[in-house]
Amino acid sequence: NAGVTQTPKFRVLKTGQSMTLLCAQDMNHEYMYWYRQDPGMGLRLIHYSVGEGTTAKGEVPDGYNVSRLKKQNFLLGLESAAPSQTSVYFCASSYPLGEQYFGPGTRLTVT
Amino acid sequence: DQQVKQNSPSLSVQEGRISILNCDYTNSMFDYFLWYKKYPAEGPTFLISISSIKDKNEDGRFTVFLNKSAKHLSLHIVPSQPGDSAVYFCAARLDRGSTLGRLYFGRGTQLTVWP
Repeated sequence: NAGVTQTPKFRVLKTGQSMTLLCAQDMNHEYMYWYRQDPGMGLRLIHYSVGEGTTAKGEVPDGYNVSRLKKQNFLLGLESAAPSQTSVYFCASSYPLGEQYFGPGTRLTVT
Repeated sequence: DQQVKQNSPSLSVQEGRISILNCDYTNSMFDYFLWYKKYPAEGPTFLISISSIKDKNEDGRFTVFLNKSAKHLSLHIVPSQPGDSAVYFCAARLDRGSTLGRLYFGRGTQLTVWP
């Protein structure tokens, strides 16, 4: 079992560029989440999904979009990257009210 | 508005001694509390949890204590080992009224265990 994987591991973008982060899980979890972690901050929830075809906003959703076309995948998109989106992004998955399993993270720098 | 607070950004402990990491919360409706451990360049991993109806949960060297009246929980690691050096995140979960189980994280405490 690979658990939760994230692609890419690192990325540098220029302001205004777009990109998509991919999260995949092989645990058949219904729920998936995208978090960001900034220095000195805890993890903050960006968007989440409670099932295939469903998404919802978390605590800090502005500037991001998500899609869950397949149960095992959860995509996070940045349409027009800004320096404030420089962060480490973590994906997680879980059963309802279950323990969340996290991926290794994607380090994104926007210049 | 930080609902889960870890007021100590760092803690340094000698190998073999006890490490005590503290966490405070403001929302009395939280049902479940968790500790996650994070090594550099890795995602957080679940360590131990406690339900709001209990005051102690133990798993090997790790024990979590919950004081609901003080809205405070702590993680004890005994004995501490160099491999315990990591960032520890406290998290709280609201279960009632939803199956989402959204987690609210503290800012983390960097634990360093020195030989």
